[in-house]
Amino acid sequence: DVKVTQSSRYLVKRTGEKVFLECVQDMDHENMFWYRQDPGLGLRLIYFSYDVKMKEKGDIPEGYSVSREKKERFSLILESASTNQTSMYLCASTKRGEYNEQFFGPGTRLTVL
Amino acid sequence: QKEVEQDPGPLSVPEGAIVSLNCTYSNSAFQYFMWYRQYSRKGPELLMYTYSSGNKEDGRFTAQVDKSSKYISLFIRDSQPSDSATYLCAMIRMNRDDKIIFGKGTRLHILP
Repeated sequence: DVKVTQSSRYLVKRTGEKVFLECVQDMDHENMFWYRQDPGLGLRLIYFSYDVKMKEKGDIPEGYSVSREKKERFSLILESASTNQTSMYLCASTKRGEYNEQFFGPGTRLTVL
Repeated sequence: QKEVEQDPGPLSVPEGAIVSLNCTYSNSAFQYFMWYRQYSRKGPELLMYTYSSGNKEDGRFTAQVDKSSKYISLFIRDSQPSDSATYLCAMIRMNRDDKIIFGKGTRLHILP
């Protein structure tokens, strides 16, 4: 059974803290994505990566950075968490050339106090 | 005009009814059209996808694309309580390596 896993289901952090969200996929996919999902705003792309050590900004990269040191792992970093980053964070992966079939992880519900 | 528009619902229908979910879009370059289903507290999963115009059927689900009207639909026949979820339409332009654009999702409740 193919899988995308995320390090935490629920996370509570304080304003100003550095936050790491980890995503691991076991499908040998080249492409990996980070989204946030908010009521009324839907899914918004933060960053994506099409290869190890490569990254591209999505629609809302401000306040976030990413790291892809290994093919199976894609990390999202909130350098200094703020309350407006409270959200559901979803990781996804796809094979190269098959962006239409994205495999999503279960999500991390992050609350910043 | 937003690239993809989808009514957020919620849509409540009785068990056994036919459900119709819809999206409109503005960019005529979209060629791949997808429907994702998202259960509460889970990530979305791909339900069906269609290339270009026409219909595609998979069991109780039918996806329909009308490119002339820039309108896509998902029909669910004989709806079940287990179909209760949020349904997100999504689409990509000509190049399949392009960025996927999601609708905001429609919440569907099937009433037993």
